[in-house]
Formats: sequence, C-alpha cells, structure tokens
Amino acid sequence: QVQLVQSGAEVKKPGASVKVSCKASGYTFTSYDINWVRQATGQGLEWVGWMNPNSGNTGYAQKFQGRVTMTRNTSISTAYMELSSLRSEDTAVYYCARGKVAADGRSWDYWGQGTLVTVSS
Amino acid sequence: DIVMTQSPDSLAVSLGERATINCKSSQSVLYSSNNKNYLAWYQQKPGQPPKLLIYWASTRESGVPDRFSGSGSGTDFTLTISSLQAEDVAVYYCQQYYSTPPRYTFGQGTKLEIK
Repeated sequence: QVQLVQSGAEVKKPGASVKVSCKASGYTFTSYDINWVRQATGQGLEWVGWMNPNSGNTGYAQKFQGRVTMTRNTSISTAYMELSSLRSEDTAVYYCARGKVAADGRSWDYWGQGTLVTVSS
Repeated sequence: DIVMTQSPDSLAVSLGERATINCKSSQSVLYSSNNKNYLAWYQQKPGQPPKLLIYWASTRESGVPDRFSGSGSGTDFTLTISSLQAEDVAVYYCQQYYSTPPRYTFGQGTKLEIK
C-alpha cells in the first residue's frame, strides 16, 4: 500500500535551518510528483512547493523562494524539504503529498503524517 | 496568485440533512483547451492530514462515499454532502491548481459540525 512516512518533530532556533524527509513506499517513487504543504496550528493550508522526483525539477511558492530547497534520493525513495533562515512564523506542521496522475499531479491523493517544526528561541 | 474564498466559515447541519459549502476563485480556473476546472476539495479531521475528496471540480476520488459531490465551473464551486453523517465532521478546503507555473492556493477552510 502507498505510504509516505515523514521524519520526526523538530525544534529550531530563529535563523537556523530544518530538513524534513518524506520516505515513499508502495509505488514507484520517480513516477509521481511530491508536493509540500504546511499548516500553522489552528490555521489553513499553505502550499510550499513541488518536486518531480524523476528529473529533480522543482517549483516553489513565491513566498518561500530563496529559503526553501527540495531534493530527493531516488535510491531510498525519499524526498526532502529544507527551509532556511527560520522565523517564528514558520512554526507549523509540514506535510508531503503525492501528486495524483489523473489530476495532472496537481491534486494530492496520499499524504504523509506531518512533521511539526517549532521555531523558538 | 488566485485567491480562493470559501463560505461560510463554519456550518452546523443536522444528521441526515444536506450540507453545502461554497468556494469562489478570484479568476476562472477553467482551462479552455480541455474544458476542465482545476479545482479540488479536501477534508481534514483533527490531528490528520487532509484527504482528497474531489478533483477536476466534480470527480469523486476512489473510495469517497457518493454522498459527497462537487459542482460548479469557472469561478464558483460547491461541495455538497447529501446526507450528513457523524463522521463527516471536519474542516473542508477547496484548492485551485490552475496556475502555471504552479502557484497553488487554498480556501481558508469551512468547519462543519453537527447541529
């Protein structure tokens, strides 16, 4: 069965970086886009960016340009999202999600369990 | 970016009754070349990731009960739950995926409760 398993919670100081992993199983990792979405406590959903695991091509929301980097290791079917220059407003649960091919990869049918990133001095 | 606005922000409906959630986009998300509306609906329960319910505005995801339906085109969309069940209590989000390059945006969410 398809699964996306994310790394555990992180606590970081302002100005630091965080790297969250998303390990895929149950399907061919390189055949489906991976997107990242975040959600602050009690708030709505915010798209961070996407990556094509086959080509490594990425696209980021304008808000995160210059601070976010999405990479992958195809040998272990794992996607990564690194966010730098962290500030308190980046405190949120970060989700990875698989693009649904029948929706051109643009809506997302499987999600990771979420990783809480807390930014605090 | 395309702004998505949902209404209402919260909704209380009796069990077995119909629930209707609206979503309006700041510009059309209908792609003329394929006549598809680039709009999805998600359900999120507390402590869980979102779950895809509807894509292409009206195509139900596999395994989603048929009491859930999506409609609309262009800038105005609706998610309807025909007969509310207790397990439908959740926050519902619309999402546009029209933008190229991708600039995906969500509505602010609608909290659905039992009356």
